[in-house]
Amino acid sequence: DADVTQTPRNRITKTGKRIMLECSQTKGHDRMYWYRQDPGLGLRLIYYSFDVKDINKGEISDGYSVSRQAQAKFSLSLESAIPNQTALYFCATSEGSYEQYFGPGTRLTVT
Amino acid sequence: QKEVEQDPGPLSVPEGAIVSLNCTYSNSAFQYFMWYRQYSRKGPELLMYTYSSGNKEDGRFTAQVDKSSKYISLFIRDSQPSDSATYLCAMSLRGVAGNKLTFGGGTRVLVKP
Repeated sequence: DADVTQTPRNRITKTGKRIMLECSQTKGHDRMYWYRQDPGLGLRLIYYSFDVKDINKGEISDGYSVSRQAQAKFSLSLESAIPNQTALYFCATSEGSYEQYFGPGTRLTVT
Repeated sequence: QKEVEQDPGPLSVPEGAIVSLNCTYSNSAFQYFMWYRQYSRKGPELLMYTYSSGNKEDGRFTAQVDKSSKYISLFIRDSQPSDSATYLCAMSLRGVAGNKLTFGGGTRVLVKP
């Protein structure tokens, strides 16, 4: 079984809809991250959490919110989706070092 | 201007050739340098990590860091079709902030048999 799982893997939604992306991990790591990937822009950090009670904004948090329900679960929400939020979203975990373990990604399309 | 610049490619080479990838950065406070490899439809995975200027080898891969020039490189010797992927450089600061990675845009590499 994969150590970092993301659901759904693909999602098409309409402008203005609320959508939640979920991430679960079995690695036992305290630190979790949400990134989005756009062609040519690499990975950009949306939010990160160093433990259940610690949530921090990344470089592109506007339009997004997160919830850390447990050590193993970290969800990303788009309150009112817009087309420029169409992207590939990745969840990652780490145990406090440079090495981050990424999930398989969620491809989100906002029409 | 982005903090980390990376040529997007694609870089197409014949099997057995040396692949040369590089990134430049503007923040001299970056202390840790990584290369991640991302296959199509997969998440990135760590390939190599360095924290000092100089070279680091791991099998067919060599990572090079020149902090004075704010330039890092990755070389792949005897390239194989299985090396076809997108390669992302990443950097971080010292301490707790080191958990936040700043990525380059990625270079797509295609190794032709």
